[in-house]
Amino acid sequence: GEDVEQSLFLSVREGDSSVINCTYTDSSSTYLYWYKQEPGAGLQLLTYIFSNMDMKQDQRLTVLLNKKDKHLSLRIADTQTGDSAIYFCASAGANNLFFGTGTRLTVIP
Amino acid sequence: IAGITQAPTSQILAAGRRMTLRCTQDMRHNAMYWYRQDLGLGLRLIHYSNTAGTTGKGEVPDGYSVSRANTDDFPLTLASAVPSQTSVYFCASSDGGKPNSPLHFGNGTRLTVT
Repeated sequence: GEDVEQSLFLSVREGDSSVINCTYTDSSSTYLYWYKQEPGAGLQLLTYIFSNMDMKQDQRLTVLLNKKDKHLSLRIADTQTGDSAIYFCASAGANNLFFGTGTRLTVIP
Repeated sequence: IAGITQAPTSQILAAGRRMTLRCTQDMRHNAMYWYRQDLGLGLRLIHYSNTAGTTGKGEVPDGYSVSRANTDDFPLTLASAVPSQTSVYFCASSDGGKPNSPLHFGNGTRLTVT
Protein backbone atom coordinates (compact mmCIF):
# COMPACT_ATOMS: atom_id res chain seq x y z
CA GLY A 1 0.00 0.00 0.00
CA GLU A 2 0.83 3.66 0.03
CA ASP A 3 3.40 5.05 2.47
CA VAL A 4 2.51 8.37 4.04
CA GLU A 5 5.10 9.86 6.38
CA GLN A 6 5.05 12.71 8.85
CA SER A 7 7.27 13.85 11.66
CA LEU A 8 5.82 12.93 15.05
CA PHE A 9 6.15 16.17 16.98
CA LEU A 10 6.12 19.94 16.44
CA SER A 11 6.20 22.72 19.01
CA VAL A 12 5.53 26.36 18.25
CA ARG A 13 4.88 29.50 20.24
CA GLU A 14 1.44 31.02 20.28
CA GLY A 15 1.09 33.55 17.47
CA ASP A 16 3.78 31.97 15.31
CA SER A 17 3.08 30.00 12.14
CA SER A 18 3.11 26.20 12.20
CA VAL A 19 4.14 24.12 9.23
CA ILE A 20 3.37 20.42 9.24
CA ASN A 21 4.92 18.36 6.48
CA CYS A 22 3.90 15.10 4.84
CA THR A 23 5.31 12.93 2.09
CA TYR A 24 3.50 10.20 0.20
CA THR A 25 4.49 7.61 -2.36
CA ASP A 26 1.49 7.04 -4.64
CA SER A 27 1.73 9.48 -7.54
CA SER A 28 -1.80 8.54 -8.64
CA SER A 29 -3.40 9.94 -5.47
CA THR A 30 -6.24 12.22 -6.54
CA TYR A 31 -7.06 13.85 -3.23
CA LEU A 32 -4.94 14.61 -0.21
CA TYR A 33 -6.43 15.48 3.14
CA TRP A 34 -5.57 17.02 6.46
CA TYR A 35 -7.40 15.81 9.54
CA LYS A 36 -7.22 17.11 13.11
CA GLN A 37 -7.61 14.92 16.18
CA GLU A 38 -8.23 16.46 19.58
CA PRO A 39 -7.74 14.43 22.76
CA GLY A 40 -10.35 11.72 23.25
CA ALA A 41 -12.04 12.42 19.95
CA GLY A 42 -12.13 11.09 16.43
CA LEU A 43 -10.56 12.77 13.44
CA GLN A 44 -12.16 15.83 11.92
CA LEU A 45 -11.56 16.91 8.35
CA LEU A 46 -9.72 20.22 8.22
CA THR A 47 -9.16 20.67 4.53
CA TYR A 48 -8.27 18.80 1.37
CA ILE A 49 -6.61 19.51 -1.94
CA PHE A 50 -7.13 18.00 -5.34
CA SER A 51 -4.00 16.70 -7.00
CA ASN A 52 -4.13 19.22 -9.87
CA MET A 53 -3.88 22.12 -7.43
CA ASP A 54 -0.69 23.61 -5.99
CA MET A 55 -2.18 25.57 -3.16
CA LYS A 56 -5.39 25.98 -1.26
CA GLN A 57 -6.09 28.62 1.36
CA ASP A 58 -8.88 28.51 3.91
CA GLN A 59 -8.75 31.25 6.54
CA ARG A 60 -5.68 30.51 8.69
CA LEU A 61 -4.91 27.29 6.85
CA THR A 62 -2.75 27.03 3.73
CA VAL A 63 -2.14 23.72 2.01
CA LEU A 64 0.76 23.42 -0.40
CA LEU A 65 1.17 20.47 -2.73
CA ASN A 66 4.34 19.64 -4.64
CA LYS A 67 3.19 16.77 -6.78
CA LYS A 68 6.61 16.24 -8.36
CA ASP A 69 8.20 15.66 -4.95
CA LYS A 70 5.04 14.08 -3.48
CA HIS A 71 5.17 16.56 -0.64
CA LEU A 72 2.21 18.09 1.15
CA SER A 73 2.29 20.74 3.84
CA LEU A 74 -0.19 22.43 6.12
CA ARG A 75 0.57 25.92 7.35
CA ILE A 76 -1.41 27.34 10.26
CA ALA A 77 -1.04 31.09 10.58
CA ASP A 78 -1.20 32.80 13.98
CA THR A 79 -1.23 29.48 15.83
CA GLN A 80 -3.45 29.41 18.90
CA THR A 81 -3.48 27.12 21.94
CA GLY A 82 -6.69 25.62 20.59
CA ASP A 83 -4.71 24.37 17.61
CA SER A 84 -2.86 21.92 19.85
CA ALA A 85 -3.82 18.50 18.50
CA ILE A 86 -2.59 15.67 16.32
CA TYR A 87 -2.69 16.40 12.60
CA PHE A 88 -2.92 13.60 10.06
CA CYS A 89 -2.35 13.81 6.37
CA ALA A 90 -4.06 11.20 4.23
CA SER A 91 -3.81 10.11 0.63
CA ALA A 92 -6.79 8.69 -1.24
CA GLY A 93 -6.45 5.17 -2.62
CA ALA A 94 -8.98 3.04 -4.47
CA ASN A 95 -10.93 1.89 -1.42
CA ASN A 96 -9.05 3.46 1.38
CA LEU A 97 -7.47 6.54 2.78
CA PHE A 98 -3.84 5.98 3.72
CA PHE A 99 -3.00 7.95 6.81
CA GLY A 100 0.32 9.21 8.03
CA THR A 101 1.46 8.60 11.59
CA GLY A 102 0.18 11.99 12.71
CA THR A 103 2.08 15.05 13.93
CA ARG A 104 1.43 16.17 17.49
CA LEU A 105 1.38 19.96 17.50
CA THR A 106 2.01 21.61 20.85
CA VAL A 107 1.38 25.33 21.11
CA ILE A 108 3.36 27.05 23.86
CA PRO A 109 1.58 30.05 25.40
CA ILE B 1 -27.80 10.54 17.62
CA ALA B 2 -25.84 12.92 15.43
CA GLY B 3 -23.16 11.57 13.15
CA ILE B 4 -21.42 8.38 14.20
CA THR B 5 -21.88 6.68 17.53
CA GLN B 6 -19.49 4.04 18.79
CA ALA B 7 -19.95 1.80 21.81
CA PRO B 8 -18.48 1.04 24.22
CA THR B 9 -16.23 4.03 24.84
CA SER B 10 -13.66 1.80 26.42
CA GLN B 11 -13.31 -1.85 27.37
CA ILE B 12 -10.85 -4.12 29.13
CA LEU B 13 -11.06 -7.62 27.74
CA ALA B 14 -9.40 -10.89 28.71
CA ALA B 15 -7.43 -12.60 25.96
CA GLY B 16 -9.44 -15.28 24.20
CA ARG B 17 -12.78 -13.55 24.77
CA ARG B 18 -15.09 -12.50 21.98
CA MET B 19 -16.00 -8.83 21.62
CA THR B 20 -18.18 -6.79 19.28
CA LEU B 21 -17.58 -3.09 18.84
CA ARG B 22 -20.68 -1.27 17.74
CA CYS B 23 -20.95 1.55 15.23
CA THR B 24 -24.08 3.36 14.10
CA GLN B 25 -24.43 6.33 11.77
CA ASP B 26 -27.47 8.45 11.04
CA MET B 27 -26.20 10.23 7.94
CA ARG B 28 -27.32 7.53 5.47
CA HIS B 29 -23.78 7.26 4.18
CA ASN B 30 -23.12 4.37 1.83
CA ALA B 31 -19.59 3.59 2.92
CA MET B 32 -18.35 2.67 6.36
CA TYR B 33 -14.90 1.83 7.70
CA TRP B 34 -13.11 0.47 10.73
CA TYR B 35 -9.64 1.76 11.57
CA ARG B 36 -7.30 1.06 14.42
CA GLN B 37 -5.01 3.74 15.73
CA ASP B 38 -1.68 2.83 17.26
CA LEU B 39 1.07 5.16 18.41
CA GLY B 40 3.63 5.70 15.70
CA LEU B 41 1.57 3.83 13.10
CA GLY B 42 -1.24 6.25 12.42
CA LEU B 43 -4.57 4.80 11.35
CA ARG B 44 -4.78 1.49 9.57
CA LEU B 45 -7.84 0.19 7.80
CA ILE B 46 -9.23 -3.08 9.14
CA HIS B 47 -12.37 -3.61 7.05
CA TYR B 48 -14.65 -1.49 4.98
CA SER B 49 -18.08 -1.62 3.38
CA ASN B 50 -18.98 0.35 0.28
CA THR B 51 -22.69 -0.35 0.64
CA ALA B 52 -25.09 -2.40 2.73
CA GLY B 53 -24.61 -6.11 2.11
CA THR B 54 -20.96 -5.85 1.01
CA THR B 55 -17.70 -5.81 2.94
CA GLY B 56 -14.01 -5.78 2.07
CA LYS B 57 -10.66 -6.32 3.75
CA GLY B 58 -8.34 -3.46 4.55
CA GLU B 59 -4.68 -3.44 5.48
CA VAL B 60 -4.94 -5.37 8.76
CA PRO B 61 -8.04 -7.62 8.64
CA ASP B 62 -6.72 -10.70 10.45
CA GLY B 63 -8.51 -11.49 13.68
CA TYR B 64 -11.46 -9.22 12.86
CA SER B 65 -14.77 -9.67 11.08
CA VAL B 66 -17.52 -7.26 10.09
CA SER B 67 -21.06 -7.35 8.79
CA ARG B 68 -23.23 -4.77 7.09
CA ALA B 69 -26.83 -5.91 7.35
CA ASN B 70 -28.19 -2.39 6.84
CA THR B 71 -26.99 1.10 5.98
CA ASP B 72 -26.70 2.39 9.53
CA ASP B 73 -24.81 -0.31 11.43
CA PHE B 74 -21.33 -1.71 10.96
CA PRO B 75 -20.23 -3.87 13.91
CA LEU B 76 -16.65 -5.10 14.27
CA THR B 77 -16.11 -8.46 15.96
CA LEU B 78 -12.97 -9.86 17.53
CA ALA B 79 -13.63 -13.60 17.66
CA SER B 80 -10.83 -14.39 20.11
CA ALA B 81 -9.02 -11.30 21.34
CA VAL B 82 -5.23 -11.17 21.62
CA PRO B 83 -3.06 -8.54 23.36
CA SER B 84 -1.83 -7.16 20.01
CA GLN B 85 -5.40 -6.02 19.38
CA THR B 86 -5.05 -3.49 22.18
CA SER B 87 -5.70 -0.25 20.34
CA VAL B 88 -8.10 2.60 19.78
CA TYR B 89 -10.71 1.66 17.20
CA PHE B 90 -12.43 4.25 15.04
CA CYS B 91 -15.48 3.78 12.91
CA ALA B 92 -15.95 6.16 9.99
CA SER B 93 -18.39 6.74 7.17
CA SER B 94 -18.45 8.61 3.90
CA ASP B 95 -21.01 9.53 1.31
CA GLY B 96 -20.67 7.81 -2.04
CA GLY B 97 -18.01 5.31 -1.05
CA LYS B 98 -15.39 7.21 -3.00
CA PRO B 99 -11.98 8.21 -1.67
CA ASN B 100 -12.68 11.86 -2.45
CA SER B 101 -15.65 11.86 -0.09
CA PRO B 102 -14.44 13.05 3.32
CA LEU B 103 -14.57 10.59 6.17
CA HIS B 104 -16.65 11.31 9.25
CA PHE B 105 -15.30 9.64 12.37
CA GLY B 106 -16.79 8.44 15.62
CA ASN B 107 -15.08 9.21 18.92
CA GLY B 108 -13.43 5.84 19.15
CA THR B 109 -13.40 2.76 21.37
CA ARG B 110 -10.34 2.22 23.52
CA LEU B 111 -9.79 -1.54 23.85
CA THR B 112 -7.28 -3.16 26.16
CA VAL B 113 -6.72 -6.90 25.85
CA THR B 114 -5.01 -8.41 28.87
